[in-house]
Amino acid sequence: GAGVSQSPRYKVTKRGQDVALRCDPISGHVSLYWYRQALGQGPEFLTYFNYEAQQDKSGLPNDRFSAERPEGSISTLTIQRTEQRDSAMYRCASSPGQKVKREKLFFGSGTQLSVL
Amino acid sequence: GEDVEQSLFLSVREGDSSVINCTYTDSSSTYLYWYKQEPGAGLQLLTYIFSNMDMKQDQRLTVLLNKKDKHLSLRIADTQTGDSAIYFCAETPDRGSTLGRLYFGRGTQLTVWP
Repeated sequence: GAGVSQSPRYKVTKRGQDVALRCDPISGHVSLYWYRQALGQGPEFLTYFNYEAQQDKSGLPNDRFSAERPEGSISTLTIQRTEQRDSAMYRCASSPGQKVKREKLFFGSGTQLSVL
Repeated sequence: GEDVEQSLFLSVREGDSSVINCTYTDSSSTYLYWYKQEPGAGLQLLTYIFSNMDMKQDQRLTVLLNKKDKHLSLRIADTQTGDSAIYFCAETPDRGSTLGRLYFGRGTQLTVWP
């Protein structure tokens, strides 16, 4: 696609519910990243994939958070048993390749998650 | 650890130059970035610089890097009202496979007055 696409744009959920956030990266991009941005802060790294392999998940805050990218394209970030402190903007980014232009990250518009 | 600091606010008049400053602590930083965030939009990559460079110019944007002092700046010439946004400084350390794991500052809110 033309850019990184994320859905839904907004998600309001009740505490204790599970949510799934979707990211569709730029076509052909090998690497995919998830970041979380709290209000008034810069984005913080959560996890990233090269193709379908999750390379680094050290930024995931706890085991309620998980991510997958089963076919090396679309990715889903899942938060189980949501808590109010999970409320934030969740941003996805992709980059062209493992070795080529890997340093250029292109971000989507994000999913604003509100946990009531 | 990685720590990126920016001043939170900057106001300039239309037509003036803007200079947004950033300091970082990780001496192994390889790439340093400037991203722009407008309301309701994603983070737009404005420019980035490799750590062995001192300066990079791209139209109205000039990036200066002082690696000794770990100081990065973004100069916007002839600032326009459309440049009003939050500007994020970010860096990525040289740790092989972690390239792409960016560490961001809190962002500088640039306000341009007509």
